[in-house]
Amino acid sequence: DTEVTQTPKHLVMGMTNKKSLKCEQHMGHRAMYWYKQKAKKPPELMFVYSYEKLSINESVPSRFSPECPNSSLLNLHLHALQPEDSALYLCASRGTGGAENEQFFGPGTRLTVL
Amino acid sequence: AQSVTQLGSHVSVSEGALVLLRCNYSSSVPPYLFWYVQYPNQGLQLLLKYTSAATLVKGINGFEAEFKKSETSFHLTKPSAHMSDAAEYFCAVSTWAQKLVFGQGTRLTINP
Repeated sequence: DTEVTQTPKHLVMGMTNKKSLKCEQHMGHRAMYWYKQKAKKPPELMFVYSYEKLSINESVPSRFSPECPNSSLLNLHLHALQPEDSALYLCASRGTGGAENEQFFGPGTRLTVL
Repeated sequence: AQSVTQLGSHVSVSEGALVLLRCNYSSSVPPYLFWYVQYPNQGLQLLLKYTSAATLVKGINGFEAEFKKSETSFHLTKPSAHMSDAAEYFCAVSTWAQKLVFGQGTRLTINP
């Protein structure tokens, strides 16, 4: 398995809802990332998990809560989001060995907050 | 701090013409450089990467890039554009903290 998967593909939620995004990889990678991407912009780093521990939080609002239950799985819990949080949320994992500086991206979850 | 500048937010070429997307980087250490492509409503796919092994790097879909330290550049080229190359292209540099710093992106349009 050489890919990063993300579910759901699309998500529409109200500002009072609680929802979660899921990311999974089975490549044995030990670092995983969440990015937020607005239209016509590059991805912006949100969180980095390394060996299942949060290593980087780019000053993301607390309405976004990451979780790394095991080395293959990364979740992003969403609560009380704002319409400006609507974006494409991308997950990535960092390679090992000769690909240790390379990040492998999932297809993303398109989030719309009403 | 490491950074990337992509010259031209939008490039338009005719089908069959040369594609040239420009990327300049700033780094105080030998950089790891990447080009990613993003098709509409999809994630990022790695086209090619420079990791100091060779200055001319060949990637997927006929793309290649040349690392020029003296010019701090890593421009992406393809000899003959195809309609399927229309997409957003991002140049990125990997930092010591294992973060990717992206350029602002270049949207490539192919004219029939």
